[in-house]
Amino acid sequence: DVKVTQSSRYLVKRTGEKVFLECVQDMDHENMFWYRQDPGLGLRLIYFSYDVKMKEKGDIPEGYSVSREKKERFSLILESASTNQTSMYLCASSSHVPPGQSSYEQYFGPGTRLTVT
Amino acid sequence: DAKTTQPPSMDCAEGRAANLPCNHSTISGNEYVYWYRQIHSQGPQYIIHGLKNNETNEMASLIITEDRKSSTLILPHATLRDTAVYYCAHGYGKLTFGQGTILTVHP
Repeated sequence: DVKVTQSSRYLVKRTGEKVFLECVQDMDHENMFWYRQDPGLGLRLIYFSYDVKMKEKGDIPEGYSVSREKKERFSLILESASTNQTSMYLCASSSHVPPGQSSYEQYFGPGTRLTVT
Repeated sequence: DAKTTQPPSMDCAEGRAANLPCNHSTISGNEYVYWYRQIHSQGPQYIIHGLKNNETNEMASLIITEDRKSSTLILPHATLRDTAVYYCAHGYGKLTFGQGTILTVHP
């Protein structure tokens, strides 16, 4: 069974703090993703990574950065947290798809509910 | 801009089929359609995906229109435990999600 774990279920931080959200997957997946989830907006992609030390911007990367030093771990960093970053953050992973092959599903972690005050 | 739209909410009677629609008019030729569901306080769980043909598994059926601009997730015999938020998405590797449909199954 694929397992994606996130370091915290709930987190409360102050405006201006540096925040680290950690995600670990145990299925040797190449791809990892960070989303934020807000009411009425669904899931929006922040950053993703196709391999160690590689990262790509998603749809809403402003105010965030990421780090992938090991294959199983993908960290989301809020350099200076702001109240508009209060949200649910979801991490996901999936296998790399060889060209021409069927796409693979993403497996999600339980989420971290971050509140910035 | 990629856009995926879903109705915000739907109701269904227990034991009846639940048909959840999704519009993905900007889907590209090699992108798949995915459906996930999310129960409160959990991450989204994969249900089914497809490219062009209709697909069925033990959880649901997926109907994709011939032009691939829309799809329908069918839960053939909805139960109270199917009450959840259902997300449609499209992509190949990277996914674009809709806003989700809150499905309420009532007795």
